[in-house]
Amino acid sequence: SQQGEEDPQALSIQEGENATMNCSYKTSINNLQWYRQNSGRGLVHLILIRSNEREKHSGRLRVTLDTSKKSSSLLITASRAADTASYFCATDAEVQGAQKLVFGQGTRLTINP
Amino acid sequence: DGGITQSPKYLFRKEGQNVTLSCEQNLNHDAMYWYRQDPGQGLRLIYYSQIVNDFQKGDIAEGYSVSREKKESFPLTVTSAQKNPTAFYLCASSIIWVRGSVPDTGELFFGEGSRLTVL
Repeated sequence: SQQGEEDPQALSIQEGENATMNCSYKTSINNLQWYRQNSGRGLVHLILIRSNEREKHSGRLRVTLDTSKKSSSLLITASRAADTASYFCATDAEVQGAQKLVFGQGTRLTINP
Repeated sequence: DGGITQSPKYLFRKEGQNVTLSCEQNLNHDAMYWYRQDPGQGLRLIYYSQIVNDFQKGDIAEGYSVSREKKESFPLTVTSAQKNPTAFYLCASSIIWVRGSVPDTGELFFGEGSRLTVL
């Protein structure tokens, strides 16, 4: 079963608006990570938030984590056309007796100029 | 520059052939991973290795094999037993922290991927 699931699957907004993506997961985690993938490229790490943290910032990115609801959100403020990409959450958790980083299906973000 | 290199970027294979995808890192990371990505989908773990000469199956290991003879290298062989091998393959590496008795996966550094097409 999928550990992390992103919502929405696709998001299209105007340049300058804020973009919010959500991630839900099922089991206890050590940390949760967000990645970005441009079309046909490898993934690039954005932010890691640990299970004992509630919020983290990096430039225009803000990540929140609610372990009681098993959910996280990624907010991109003042979006730019260059932010167009797919965004994935990944949860570091014990799955079937082994520590694994499990990725969600991703949110495809399109920023319209 | 430090990083992770995958080759080839594009690969075509005839049915029944084995192919090997290369992954090399100079980040001195202990852990290395292979993921498969299908169009519009997330990443699924094929194999991972946390130490030289040791590796574990991921969620979709059938039809694949790996080796970890050197810390910096983790090649993936897609065998003829893999029924639907056409996909985008991503290699990654990371450090592993151990806090108390709990290993903690750090950020993954990814290669640029290898796109395999079966003709």
